[in-house]
Amino acid sequence: AQRVTQPEKLLSVFKGAPVELKCNYSYSGSPELFWYVQYSRQRLQLLLRHISRESIKGFTADLNKGETSFHLKKPFAQEEDSAMYYCAESNGGATNKLIFGTGTLLAVQP
Amino acid sequence: EAGVAQSPRYKIIEKRQSVAFWCNPISGHATLYWYQQILGQGPKLLIQFQNNGVVDDSQLPKDRFSAERLKGVDSTLKIQPAKLEDSAVYLCASSLLGQPQHFGDGTRLSIL
Repeated sequence: AQRVTQPEKLLSVFKGAPVELKCNYSYSGSPELFWYVQYSRQRLQLLLRHISRESIKGFTADLNKGETSFHLKKPFAQEEDSAMYYCAESNGGATNKLIFGTGTLLAVQP
Repeated sequence: EAGVAQSPRYKIIEKRQSVAFWCNPISGHATLYWYQQILGQGPKLLIQFQNNGVVDDSQLPKDRFSAERLKGVDSTLKIQPAKLEDSAVYLCASSLLGQPQHFGDGTRLSIL
């Protein structure tokens, strides 16, 4: 069965420090990987997807098929980055079904 | 564009009672999803509709949960009878075919 693992429940960093939120997936085919973010009192929203290969709000994520990882990175954290981050995997196809990880709470301290 | 609308935002019921949630997807989005998010976990797909047909309901506890999307637009999710373990946030999402999903604010359900 597909499984997405986010090993850290909480990641606390200081403003300006680098951030790396870890995500490992299990699907052996050609997965689509996503990062969703939920800011306080806001709805879950898409941050980025691996096929777009773009940087959103300074965040990037590279799909590493050898390590089955899709870690989210930002070189300099900002206080407004504090939020819950969910990694998700889809096997694509007609269903486009998302499998979510358990999420990591990023807390950026001033 | 208007986002995915859900109601109610909060619901408190006693176990064995019934409850219903409503979702209005983004206009034009043929695919609609219902997720259950238990505290401390990521969202888990319960059911997926493509227009008014069910695509995937493999994780839906069909003995107590039901969902419909009769006209291919709005959808309702019902729980009858509710159990304590159904306490969760119920999220609705919609998408164009093969495109990223857009989520609503969710309904927070508490079972007493």
